[in-house]
Amino acid sequence: DADVTQTPRNRITKTGKRIMLECSQTKGHDRMYWYRQDPGLGLRLIYYSFDVKDINKGEISDGYSVSRQAQAKFSLSLESAIPNQTALYFCATSQGTGGANVLTFGAGSRLTVL
Amino acid sequence: AQSVTQLGSHVSVSEGALVLLRCNYSSSVPPYLFWYVQYPNQGLQLLLKYTSAATLVKGINGFEAEFKKSETSFHLTKPSAHMSDAAEYFCAVSKNTGNQFYFGTGTSLTVIP
Repeated sequence: DADVTQTPRNRITKTGKRIMLECSQTKGHDRMYWYRQDPGLGLRLIYYSFDVKDINKGEISDGYSVSRQAQAKFSLSLESAIPNQTALYFCATSQGTGGANVLTFGAGSRLTVL
Repeated sequence: AQSVTQLGSHVSVSEGALVLLRCNYSSSVPPYLFWYVQYPNQGLQLLLKYTSAATLVKGINGFEAEFKKSETSFHLTKPSAHMSDAAEYFCAVSKNTGNQFYFGTGTSLTVIP
């Protein structure tokens, strides 16, 4: 099994629908992140969490919410999806403090909003 | 504020030729720098990282990068490209607190047989 598992891997939905992307990890890492990847824009941080009681907004949090249900689980929700949220979403984890920490990524969840 | 700039969104090289992918950073403090690779339909995986221990960093699959403070650069190189190197490459920076990682816009590498 992968260290960081994202479900679903692909999802097509309609404008206005609520969508949840789930992430679970077996690394035992305390930090979890949600990124969005768009062509030509690289990866942009949506939300991050340093532990179960800690949630922080990233640079593009508008239109998204998250829940850290357990140390190993971090879900991303789109309450009312819109077409410009069509993107590839990545969950990532890291351990400990310090900027030298390495991110471990899931395989990605491709979301299409029609 | 911190950021990274990757020059060239697409780079093509012949098999066996030198690979050079450029990354420049801006940071008010000495940064931590990373190169990640993304193969088709996969997540990103670490190639190498700079943490101030040595300016020349060796990574996986024959890649290396040199930290040049005077040029604020962290370019990625590989002496001889292989077909399996075709992928998207991302440069990233973080600061000492490790709160956030900032990614470049990525460079897509094509290897021509």
